[in-house]
Amino acid sequence: GQNIDQPTEMTATEGAIVQINCTYQTSGFNGLFWYQQHAGEAPTFLSYNVLDGLEEKGRFSSFLSRSKGYSYLLLKELQMKDSASYLCAVPGGYQKVTFGTGTKLQVIP
Amino acid sequence: KAGVTQTPRYLIKTRGQQVTLSCSPISGHRSVSWYQQTPGQGLQFLFEYFSETQRNKGNFPGRFSGRQFSNSRSEMNVSTLELGDSALYLCASSTGLAGGGGPDTQYFGPGTRLTVL
Repeated sequence: GQNIDQPTEMTATEGAIVQINCTYQTSGFNGLFWYQQHAGEAPTFLSYNVLDGLEEKGRFSSFLSRSKGYSYLLLKELQMKDSASYLCAVPGGYQKVTFGTGTKLQVIP
Repeated sequence: KAGVTQTPRYLIKTRGQQVTLSCSPISGHRSVSWYQQTPGQGLQFLFEYFSETQRNKGNFPGRFSGRQFSNSRSEMNVSTLELGDSALYLCASSTGLAGGGGPDTQYFGPGTRLTVL
């Protein structure tokens, strides 16, 4: 089976940097996804990591350590519109994706 | 390219009724997955269809079923509704062509908000 843990809520200040952690346990590893979900909206794809290390995409970066079962999403230069839930997810076979319960990020002025 | 569409967006039913939800994937995508999202449990995988065949399913009772048509559109049916079925039902589409059943990036529709009274 698969199990994912991430913090329930975080608060950060506009312009700052925030790191959202995710730990996972999986019987077979097929990579790790991060999704962003604004309240009342559908999740949108942010990143997919399958190899160890940091991948950067503009203000967002995602890190993976397969040996530690650990990933984080790094958001730089926070903006108010970044207030959302961030979902960590690990795929099984044939699109059977297990999602964490999500980290609700609140960005304050 | 049009995104994933789901109909209806909102639905109110009473216990014991049944409901059918519809999902049209992105053009060219052949895989459709369904998820249930509730505040307590988060996003939970229901099942995935590819070329009209169910390839994978989650741990939901048999009251939850689905199908996919030759144009890749998919429907999900819930029979004998229970209060606990109140949730946001999301469908996600992907190409479904990753090798060895590997993961594709999934693109989500806006969801159907089902309320069971």
